Formats: sequence, C-alpha cells, structure tokens
Amino acid sequence: NAGVTQTPKFQVLKTGQSMTLQCAQDMNHNSMYWYRQDPGMGLRLIYYSASEGTTDKGEVPNGYNVSRLNKREFSLRLESAAPSQTSVYFCASSGPSGLVGSEQFFGPGTRLTVL
Amino acid sequence: GNSVTQMEGPVTLSEEAFLTINCTYTATGYPSLFWYVQYPGEGLQLLLKATKADDKGSNKGFEATYRKETTSFHLEKGSVQVSDSAVYFCAQSNSGYALNFGKGTSLLVTP
Repeated sequence: NAGVTQTPKFQVLKTGQSMTLQCAQDMNHNSMYWYRQDPGMGLRLIYYSASEGTTDKGEVPNGYNVSRLNKREFSLRLESAAPSQTSVYFCASSGPSGLVGSEQFFGPGTRLTVL
Repeated sequence: GNSVTQMEGPVTLSEEAFLTINCTYTATGYPSLFWYVQYPGEGLQLLLKATKADDKGSNKGFEATYRKETTSFHLEKGSVQVSDSAVYFCAQSNSGYALNFGKGTSLLVTP
C-alpha cells in the first residue's frame, strides 16, 4: 500500500496562475482532508470531505476549491494564486467518519511557492 | 471554541535526557487526543493517541496520559535519542472529523 500520495512535491507559481494539487489514498478511507502548514501556525484545515460526494469548508477556505473525484481522490485547486498561499500543503485521510479516535494518515506534502 | 495549546520550542536536549512537552486543550464534550510527529521533510505520522479520560497512549518510549481534570495531554519520554529530533504536534478531535492542531514544538537532541 502506498498510503496517501500527493503530486507534485514542489511547485513555483507566479501570482495569478492556477494549479491543482492532487491527492490519492489506497486505504479505502471515507474521509479526506486538505491542510496547510505555515511556520509558527501549526496545521490549519482548508477543506475536508467526510465521504464521497460531500465537501465542507474548514478554517481557511478562501482562495481554494476542492473536488472529491471519487473515493480515492481529493484535489485542491488554486484558481488565482497569491503570495499568501505560499505554504506546505498536506492531504490526509481517515476511516469511517464520526468514529471517535480515528487516526488520520498524511501524505508527504506539496511545497508551494507563489512569487 | 476548541483549541490546543502546546509549549513553544525549540527544545534542545542532550541524548538520554528526560523530555516533557506540555499540551492543554479546550473543548466541548470529550475529545480524542493525539500526538503526531513530523520528521524533517516528511508528512505527519501518528505517535500515540488516547480516546477517553485516564487513558495512556504509548509508542516508541513516548507516553501521554489523558487528564480530564487538568485538560492536559503532556508528552513524555524518559531517555531521548538523536533520532527523536523532529517537530511534535498535539491535536484533538471531537467528532472524528478534522483535527485541531497545536502550533508544534521543535525538538533537537544533541549527542
């Protein structure tokens, strides 16, 4: 099992450009998440998908959109990148939603720089 | 609202020293509590967890006890190694959905 995979690993964009971050999991998990990690801020939730076909906003959704393509894949799109979106982005997944104590499994991250 | 507060780093220790990283939380209800570890250049991985009061999570020599009366989940290890150098995150989950993370504590263990 590969677990949670993310592409690309690194990306540099210019302000105003768009891009999509890809995430896939092979653990048959129902729930998937996108976080961003910034120095001194910990991880903050951007969007999550409790199950296939549903998505919900997290703490910092502005400037992002998501698509739960199928049970395996959950993509994050930046329509018009801004320097404030320079960050490391992590995708995660977990088992049945609402199960107390569900562990989240994280991908290796995408380091994004917006110039 | 729900939040997690953990001690700020960086924490620098000599090999074989005792480690404590403090973590306290605020929450409605009874959250599950977690410690995640992030090694340089990698994603987060679960270190240990506890799902109810007085539970003790343990893994790789690390321990943390869910203390409802003090709303704390402090991470401890009796003898740290150089390979424990990483960033440690305390987190809580109330519903099994997304986690609330602390800001992370960087640990550097020197030989």
